[in-house]
Amino acid sequence: QKEVEQDPGPLSVPEGAIVSLNCTYSNSAFQYFMWYRQYSRKGPELLMYTYSSGNKEDGRFTAQVDKSSKYISLFIRDSQPSDSATYLCAIAINTGNQFYFGTGTSLTVIP
Amino acid sequence: ETGVTQSPTHLIKTRGQQVTLRCSSQSGHNTVSWYQQALGQGPQFIFQYYREEENGRGNFPPRFSGLQFPNYSSELNVNALELDDSALYLCASSDPQGETQYFGPGTRLLVL
Repeated sequence: QKEVEQDPGPLSVPEGAIVSLNCTYSNSAFQYFMWYRQYSRKGPELLMYTYSSGNKEDGRFTAQVDKSSKYISLFIRDSQPSDSATYLCAIAINTGNQFYFGTGTSLTVIP
Repeated sequence: ETGVTQSPTHLIKTRGQQVTLRCSSQSGHNTVSWYQQALGQGPQFIFQYYREEENGRGNFPPRFSGLQFPNYSSELNVNALELDDSALYLCASSDPQGETQYFGPGTRLLVL
């Protein structure tokens, strides 16, 4: 069983739509939750990180963690064509140790 | 502040050969982690180096080895290359007191 599961998509939405990306995990020891964006043939770029439960907002992006359900989400408001990329969730017990990644969700925002 | 850099960007090798990939960590970061990302998959943890010592290893065979240097740059060595080693190899640096890991652009390895 994988430590973290992510729906691979692909997901295709019109410009301006609200996008919801989700991951689930199995081990309650995980405390750190990250979202990375990866453009084709590039390295992952950190978008958001959250410690423990709660919400975190940065511009059009909101990360949400529900530790009781072991469920993490990333919401993108007013999606833009430049948001078209693969979004990877990552979890860790400690940020100094290994990260466990989901398989990534491919998102296309259509103009 | 410079980000994480990796070299080379692309590499083609044949089965059985050996390869060395290099990573320079972000300024001030003393921890380097290496990941393998196969096509269509998320990155898989290979190992991590902290102050020149291996500090954790994923489910990869011993033919995957590494080094970290006093300036915190790092190398990933893979011996006896197999076709399944074809992937994007990512290096990430972090400070143990930092918030998370920051990735380089990766080295794309093709094994023929």
